[in-house]
Amino acid sequence: DSGVTQTPKHLITATGQRVTLRCSPRSGDLSVYWYQQSLDQGLQFLIQYYNGEERAKGNILERFSAQQFPDLHSELNLSSLELGDSALYFCASSAKDRVVAPLHFGNGTRLTVT
Amino acid sequence: GQQLNQSPQSMFIQEGEDVSMNCTSSSIFNTWLWYKQDPGEGPVLLIALYKAGELTSNGRLTAQFGITRKDSFLNISASIPSDVGIYFCAGQLRRDDKIIFGKGTRLHILP
Repeated sequence: DSGVTQTPKHLITATGQRVTLRCSPRSGDLSVYWYQQSLDQGLQFLIQYYNGEERAKGNILERFSAQQFPDLHSELNLSSLELGDSALYFCASSAKDRVVAPLHFGNGTRLTVT
Repeated sequence: GQQLNQSPQSMFIQEGEDVSMNCTSSSIFNTWLWYKQDPGEGPVLLIALYKAGELTSNGRLTAQFGITRKDSFLNISASIPSDVGIYFCAGQLRRDDKIIFGKGTRLHILP
């Protein structure tokens, strides 16, 4: 158990809809990262937050947004969903920001857009 | 954009064989991480490397941070059935501290 909790585990929704994925980092970790993993693909970095502030952005679509709350949990919002958004979405946390500490991953949310 | 080239893409081996996989890039990294992902689960950290030339072991796993800071390898000795899965390398870029992942090596063990 990595200590990173993601909910829900599975999500099935229709095109055009909006969903929210939730992540609780390991106790004491200040950084939260979001990654997208499509079928047979590697992990694509979406966005990182550190102690409530956006720290780095990757290949995140404008239809997607995220935030980290004062209690350090994070939410990834996906809107105007398209079939191609179907993927596994992983959250990872680490203890530090610029001095890297290893990322610890949750078990992911599997999003299916129909 | 930044890219990590991980190879091989997949491997089919016999139980008991040794395994070697690597990641290379044209970019320089501060840190290398190796993860294993089982079906339906998140990646689990196997080994973290923080210094060029560093060689670190975790049981039957050994990984090294390349001297040029542009590559890393992972070796698994005497493979067992539970080694099956996808192995990812990840590196933190010196340029902007972003962490990027390779596309993974799928390890299959033949009966």
